[in-house]
Amino acid sequence: NAGVTQTPKFQVLKTGQSMTLQCAQDMNHEYMSWYRQDPGMGLRLIHYSVGAGITDQGEVPNGYNVSRSTTEDFPLRLLSAAPSQTSVYFCASGQGGTTVQYFGPGTRLTVT
Amino acid sequence: GENVEQHPSTLSVQEGDSAVIKCTYSDSASNYFPWYKQELGKRPQLIIDIRSNVGEKKDQRIAVTLNKTAKHFSLHITETQPEDSAVYFCAALAATGRRALTFGSGTRLQVQP
Repeated sequence: NAGVTQTPKFQVLKTGQSMTLQCAQDMNHEYMSWYRQDPGMGLRLIHYSVGAGITDQGEVPNGYNVSRSTTEDFPLRLLSAAPSQTSVYFCASGQGGTTVQYFGPGTRLTVT
Repeated sequence: GENVEQHPSTLSVQEGDSAVIKCTYSDSASNYFPWYKQELGKRPQLIIDIRSNVGEKKDQRIAVTLNKTAKHFSLHITETQPEDSAVYFCAALAATGRRALTFGSGTRLQVQP
């Protein structure tokens, strides 16, 4: 099992550009989520999904879109990148919301 | 929604001493409380978790206690070692509403050799 994988590891964008952060898991987990981590602010939930075809907003959803067409994949789209979106992005998955959540290795995004 | 507060933000202890990190939560419906350890540049990794039907859980040098009435839970690390140095995050998950973890802001633990 590869677990939770994320690509790319690093990305630099210019303001206004769009891109998609990829997240995949091979553990057949129903539950997937995206967090951003900023210094001194812990992990904040962006969007999450309780199963294929179902997504919901988290604490900081503005500027991001998600979709869940398959159990394995949960991409995060930045519509028009802003410097405030400079952060480390983590994807996580679990069998359900109340079981262990496994984190991916993260994507470090810089928006200039 | 759920709000989780974590204290202290930094903690420095001597090797062999104990360390305690405390968290409070706001949503009485929360029923799952994991603790994550994050080393520099790495992903968060679960170290211990507790569910609301249990008051205490231990795993070797690590223990977590939960007080549902007061809505707080704590991480206890005994006989600390330099490799325990990391950032620790608590989290809470509500049984209703937004079914996603809400994290505390983290505690940077430094164990001095």
